[in-house]
Amino acid sequence: NAGVMQNPRHLVRRRGQEARLRCSPMKGHSHVYWYRQLPEEGLKFMVYLQKENIIDESGMPKERFSAEFPKEGPSILRIQQVVRGDSAAYFCASSAGTGRTEAFFGQGTRLTVV
Amino acid sequence: GESVGLHLPTLSVQEGDNSIINCAYSNSASDYFIWYKQESGKGPQFIIDIRSNMDKRQGQRVTVLLNKTVKHLSLQIAATQPGDSAVYFCAETINQAGTALIFGKGTTLSVSS
Repeated sequence: NAGVMQNPRHLVRRRGQEARLRCSPMKGHSHVYWYRQLPEEGLKFMVYLQKENIIDESGMPKERFSAEFPKEGPSILRIQQVVRGDSAAYFCASSAGTGRTEAFFGQGTRLTVV
Repeated sequence: GESVGLHLPTLSVQEGDNSIINCAYSNSASDYFIWYKQESGKGPQFIIDIRSNMDKRQGQRVTVLLNKTVKHLSLQIAATQPGDSAVYFCAETINQAGTALIFGKGTTLSVSS
């Protein structure tokens, strides 16, 4: 039973380009969470999705960031027109239920904007 | 604002000692807490959780204590090993639906032989 799979592990983008981060949850999990971690910082919640629905996006920046979790395929975190401040590690977690159940994390995607 | 934080950013111990990592939270409505371990270059790894109707929960070499009166959470690691060296985060649910977790900045535990 594979764990949470994120790809790519490392992503380099020039300012103004788009970044697409993918997350495949654990088998049987229908809840996905995205977090951002800046260097030397804790994880900051961004968005919580279930299949085809955004449940809580209170941590998402209002502009340039979007997330989806389609019926088929991985969850996608999309960052348009990236800026240097978007450089961070982005982690995805999945769970079988709501936040009061254990969430498993992927290895993260490290985005570097140059 | 509401936040979850840890008292010390770093903790250094000798192999075999017991380690205690502390966390203070401010949201009195939180009812579910988790400790995560994050090794360099990796994603957070679940260690142990506790619900607010409990004061203590034990796992293998780890114990979590919850003091709701002072809104304090601690992680105790018995017989600390070099492999325990990592950053430790506490997390709480941030709304009644329990749909998200909020993390403190973490405590870096360094274990020397």
